[in-house]
Amino acid sequence: QVQMVQSGAEVKKPGASVKVSCKASGYAFTMNYIHWVRQAPGQGLEWMGWINPNSGATNSAQKFQGRATLTRDTSINTAYMELSGLTYDDTAVYYCARGIMTTTPMLSPWGQGTLVNVSS
Amino acid sequence: QSALTQPASVSGSPGQSITISCTGTNSDVGAYNYVSWFQQHPGKAPKLMIHDVSGRPSGVSSRFSGSKSDNTASLTISGLQAEDEADYYCSSYIGSSTVIFGGGTKLTVL
Repeated sequence: QVQMVQSGAEVKKPGASVKVSCKASGYAFTMNYIHWVRQAPGQGLEWMGWINPNSGATNSAQKFQGRATLTRDTSINTAYMELSGLTYDDTAVYYCARGIMTTTPMLSPWGQGTLVNVSS
Repeated sequence: QSALTQPASVSGSPGQSITISCTGTNSDVGAYNYVSWFQQHPGKAPKLMIHDVSGRPSGVSSRFSGSKSDNTASLTISGLQAEDEADYYCSSYIGSSTVIFGGGTKLTVL
C-alpha cells in the first residue's frame, strides 16, 4: 500500500534550521508531487509548498519563500523539507502528503507528521 | 491570501445530517473545481474525504458528500456516527500552482 513515513521529532533553537524527511513507498515516486503542510499546536492546517520529484521543480507559499527548501533524492524515494531561520512560531507538526493530481489539493496519503519544537 | 472561512464548530446527533461550509472568493473556491475536504482525528494525520468538489476516494463512506455553489463549498455527512467526530478542513486550489486551507471545523456528535 502507499505509505509516507517521516523522520522523528526535532528540538531546535531559535535561528537554527531543521530538515524533515519523507520516505514514500508503494508507488512510483516520480509520478506524484509531494506537498508539505504544517499545523501549529491547536491550530489549523497551513500549506507550505510542493516538489515535483521527477523534475525537482518546486513551488512554495509566499510566506515560506526564501526560508523553506524542498528537495528530493529519487534513489531512495525520499523528499525533504528544510526550514531555516526558525522562530518560536515555527513550532508545529510538519506533514508530507502525496499529491495525486499534481498541484491540486488532492492529497493522499499523508505522513504521520514530524513535530518540530523550537525552544531555547 | 486569507484562509478559507469555515464555522468553528458544528454538532449533530447520531443519525442526523450535518453540513459544513467553506467560503472563499471568486479567485479560489469560485474559480476552480479543485476543492478537497480532510478529516482529522486528534493526534492523527489528516485523511482525504472528498476531492474535486464532490469526488469520493475509494474506501470513504458514501455518507460523505461534497458540493459547491458560487464561492462556497460544502461537506455533508449523513447518518452521523460517533466515529465522525473530528476536525474537518477544506482546501482549494488558488492558482499559480498554490493551495490554501480553511480554518477548520470541529464536529461534535452529541
